Amino acid sequence: GENVEQHPSTLSVQEGDSAVIKCTYSDSASNYFPWYKQELGKGPQLIIDIRSNVGEKKDQRIAVTLNKTAKHFSLHITETQPEDSAVYFCAASKESSYKLIFGSGTRLLVRP
Amino acid sequence: GAVVSQHPSRVICKSGTSVKIECRSLDFQATTMFWYRQFPKQSLMLMATSNEGSKATYEQGVEKDKFLINHASLTLSTLTVTSAHPEDSSFYICSASPQWNEQFFGPGTRLTVL
Repeated sequence: GENVEQHPSTLSVQEGDSAVIKCTYSDSASNYFPWYKQELGKGPQLIIDIRSNVGEKKDQRIAVTLNKTAKHFSLHITETQPEDSAVYFCAASKESSYKLIFGSGTRLLVRP
Repeated sequence: GAVVSQHPSRVICKSGTSVKIECRSLDFQATTMFWYRQFPKQSLMLMATSNEGSKATYEQGVEKDKFLINHASLTLSTLTVTSAHPEDSSFYICSASPQWNEQFFGPGTRLTVL
């Protein structure tokens, strides 16, 4: 079945630096790739998503890139701030299914 | 927009009792809702997919008689954990889908079974 691998599992950066989280998916039919931010004790919050008909999407300090050939997509956070500290999950799904297949998560720590 | 609420946010119950968790989409209609379970420092595990007016579809290994799901309207789904035991203690999260693939998550319910 579909599998999504996410790396790294933990990431520590200095405030102001950039952070990059990478995910690889197995099912070439996948065409929707959302990213979620989860703070401690809360539900995941959708922060950005991308569909397979585009290669890059940007929203202020957050961007996502998609390489369909290599079957991987990445989250880029620039000018990181302490409030960016959280667990980030990538996910993938395909048109024939409503299900999201989640990565294992990345714990991001932004040091002041 | 796309706000999903869950109630209660936290519940403590005795072993053997049943607990009901509500999930509501506040500003949109959700044909499909999902129920997840999350253990500490782990990813979300899909338990079941719930479609309005029909029976839920459970993932492999999830007991449908233990985790009863009802999706009575386009804005409300409920999860009832029957005869709860300590091993059922977990963080339960619902999500609602207004359209294909998009999912918006509720704030979660922390269940502790004594």
